[in-house]
Amino acid sequence: DIQMTQSPSSLSASVGDRVTITCRASQSINTYLHWYQQKPGRAPKLLMYDASTLQSGVPSRFSGSGSGTGFTLNISSLQPEDFATYYCQQSYSAPKTFGQGTRLEIK
Amino acid sequence: QVQLQESGPGLVKPSETLSLTCSVSGDSIRSYYWSWVRQPPGKGLEWIGYISYLGSSSYNPSLKSRLTISLDTSRNQFSLKLSSVTAADTAIYYCAREAAAGSPSYYFDYWGQGALVTVSS
Repeated sequence: DIQMTQSPSSLSASVGDRVTITCRASQSINTYLHWYQQKPGRAPKLLMYDASTLQSGVPSRFSGSGSGTGFTLNISSLQPEDFATYYCQQSYSAPKTFGQGTRLEIK
Repeated sequence: QVQLQESGPGLVKPSETLSLTCSVSGDSIRSYYWSWVRQPPGKGLEWIGYISYLGSSSYNPSLKSRLTISLDTSRNQFSLKLSSVTAADTAIYYCAREAAAGSPSYYFDYWGQGALVTVSS
């Protein structure tokens, strides 16, 4: 299985901050990397697919980049509704696997 | 608007079979791939498996020997059966639609609200 490792595991930030979350794959996954946001008690929500394509309806302050084994999710100016847990997921090879999550908290 | 809704027992005894159904509205199940994903309380996400609109399926090897995912096109539903459950199978179970931007780019674009299943005697 391809292991997905996110860093940091948790992060404290303030409204208006720029934040970067990193996801690393145990082997190359091209750009088959997708990002989700999950709020407490809710299902995950797709933010980005294929490393850098924004899902319809997702604010443009979210952006993604990377290929191969290293990927980043950036939030340019944190809004109150962005405090949540973020997961990356690879679909390059079965089984599909997720990172362990990055919890973004209000400072 | 595509909507998915899980249903099934919230409590299952150890060694028995966990059964859940996902009802899909706003889209025909005769397209896309349809997946199950689970999340133990307070932990991360684990892909369980999918079934395609053609009836083919793919399972996580860690669960494959205990798992069956099936499709009911007449009811626009798909189902999960996980046998011989233990406390380690306690989780929120989500059903999700898999969209594709071209193989192997598969991602989950619509999710159900989740169903908590507890394995306990």
